[in-house]
Amino acid sequence: SSELTQDPAVSVALGQTVKITCQGDSLRTYYASWYQQKPGRAPILVSYGNNNRPSGIPARFSGSRSGNTTSLIITGAQAEDEADYYCNCRDSNDYHMVFGGGTRLTVL
Amino acid sequence: QVHLMESGGDVVQPGKSLRLSCAASGFNFNSFIMHWVRQPPGKGLEWLAVISHDGSNRFYADSVEGRFTISRDNSKKMVHLEITGLKVEDTAVYYCARLDRPRNVEYFQYWGQGTLVTVSP
Repeated sequence: SSELTQDPAVSVALGQTVKITCQGDSLRTYYASWYQQKPGRAPILVSYGNNNRPSGIPARFSGSRSGNTTSLIITGAQAEDEADYYCNCRDSNDYHMVFGGGTRLTVL
Repeated sequence: QVHLMESGGDVVQPGKSLRLSCAASGFNFNSFIMHWVRQPPGKGLEWLAVISHDGSNRFYADSVEGRFTISRDNSKKMVHLEITGLKVEDTAVYYCARLDRPRNVEYFQYWGQGTLVTVSP
């Protein structure tokens, strides 16, 4: 099965831009989705496909993909963006899904 | 509106079995593929299992194959996850999630609130 690799922790100054990355071979074939999770809460979809945002997600969240790497970009990070972020996509085994290990974002 | 609600979580002893359920509402349940995902305390998300819209196809993470069984009842708009031979490491919050896949772009927009399974001697 494939793996998706994320940096365990990233920090950003309030109002600055941060890129959270996710690497994996299956990303060459499949688009990823990104989830924000705050303590004690279910994950929330923040980005999917080729830079798509669900309704209600602020425009400061965007996504990109290059080769085997997908990124979630937060332009002008806010205090409320402090959370864990997970990438997800289909595994190289066509019927499985896989999550990255998660990135804890701290907004300074 | 779309709503998913898990139930069945409990404190159980190792070796026992447990059946988790997820009740769906607000959408045409029998048109959607459903998944289970879990999250051990303080750890990341782990994909567990998927079932096709009609229940004819089911697939599992290697880590749980043989002990977990996913099923669904479209008439009741329910999806289930049966876990046998529970281990301490199965302690986690278990989520059900609906897979959306327009034009083959896949994502989980709808999740339940989760149900906690604690496996303890």
